[in-house]
Amino acid sequence: ETGVTQSPTHLIKTRGQQVTLRCSSQSGHNTVSWYQQALGQGPQFIFQYYREEENGRGNFPPRFSGLQFPNYSSELNVNALELDDSALYLCASSLRDNTDTQYFGPGTRLTVL
Amino acid sequence: GNSVTQMEGPVTLSEEAFLTINCTYTATGYPSLFWYVQYPGEGLQLLLKATKADDKGSNKGFEATYRKETTSFHLEKGSVQVSDSAVYFCALSLNFGNEKLTFGTGTRLTIIP
Repeated sequence: ETGVTQSPTHLIKTRGQQVTLRCSSQSGHNTVSWYQQALGQGPQFIFQYYREEENGRGNFPPRFSGLQFPNYSSELNVNALELDDSALYLCASSLRDNTDTQYFGPGTRLTVL
Repeated sequence: GNSVTQMEGPVTLSEEAFLTINCTYTATGYPSLFWYVQYPGEGLQLLLKATKADDKGSNKGFEATYRKETTSFHLEKGSVQVSDSAVYFCALSLNFGNEKLTFGTGTRLTIIP
């Protein structure tokens, strides 16, 4: 069984640029959630995708957007990067049922200069 | 809204000491409760979970009991090891865990030999 994978591992961008982060969900999982973890803080929920549709969104502006593909992998896109977007971005996959548990990937460290 | 309050760290203990990390929550409805652990430079790993009142989650010598009357889910371990040094996050999720995870701010634990 393959776990959750994310790419790239690290990324450096400048303010105003756009970035795309990728996530492959664990085998058999149909739901992907994205979280932002600032340094020294707990992860904050960005949004969740289930069957290619957005299924809940946290308090993040529209320049944060996402996609889920038919194979349940997912992308997080961030436009017009700001310095405060520097963080660890975590993807979690799960199987939507009555005993759901989210399993996390290793994360992508984004630095905005 | 839903929230999780964790014991502030950092916590430093000697090897073989007893560990307690306090966690209390506020939630509408009946949440599932989780402890995740984050080792340096890594993503989050699920440590244990409990889905209903009085359930006890356990893994790798760690335990936590879902206490509805005190809205708590304290993490305990009888004898810690150096390898337990990490950041521990308490979290909750509604709808049997299908919804977003709401995290506490994390507690950094350091075990000294």
